Amino acid sequence: KAGVTQTPRYLIKTRGQQVTLSCSPISGHRSVSWYQQTPGQGLQFLFEYFSETQRNKGNFPGRFSGRQFSNSRSEMNVSTLELGDSALYLCASNYGTGIYNEQFFGPGTRLTVL
Amino acid sequence: GIQVEQSPPDLILQEGANSTLRCNFSDSVNNLQWFHQNPWGQLINLFYIPSGTKQNGRLSATTVATERYSLLYISSSQTTDSGVYFCAVDYSGSARQLTFGSGTQLTVLP
Repeated sequence: KAGVTQTPRYLIKTRGQQVTLSCSPISGHRSVSWYQQTPGQGLQFLFEYFSETQRNKGNFPGRFSGRQFSNSRSEMNVSTLELGDSALYLCASNYGTGIYNEQFFGPGTRLTVL
Repeated sequence: GIQVEQSPPDLILQEGANSTLRCNFSDSVNNLQWFHQNPWGQLINLFYIPSGTKQNGRLSATTVATERYSLLYISSSQTTDSGVYFCAVDYSGSARQLTFGSGTQLTVLP
């Protein structure tokens, strides 16, 4: 099976712009989780989608949003970019049922905000 | 929320040496994973180990859930083992939300 894919891999934006990142999970996986990694805050959970519904959201402002399509592909959007949004954004494909869950990560999108 | 602490924060070894990385967590967990982050940023799955012991080649891991810690053992280290090792836990059971430790930066010298 193909792994988790994320596009684009690198992105440079300026403050105030918005950005959309894409993630395709492993075939057959219906749940996708997103994370932000920065040097100062480490890896932090953004949100999780399952069957096109957001089930859980981390402690991020409303500028961070996402969605999931019927084919399980997910997008996240950041509006009104700030310098502090510069980060590696990682998407995880979730495998499992009930309390059993293993996450498999994509290569990430490295966002730089100037 | 749950706290995840990893030690040591930094570790420098000579090639061929063995090492033990530790992960302590503050509450009961349903899932625990170990990852290796490669230089390009991708998290590589090492172990899914909410309890018990597993081995994969030169790597092995043990989680003692009742005492709230997990250990990752690396034997006969190689320069390619260098990178950051993360422990991550999911205590909710259904939220598909991992809480990560701050990582151990491992450097293996030739």
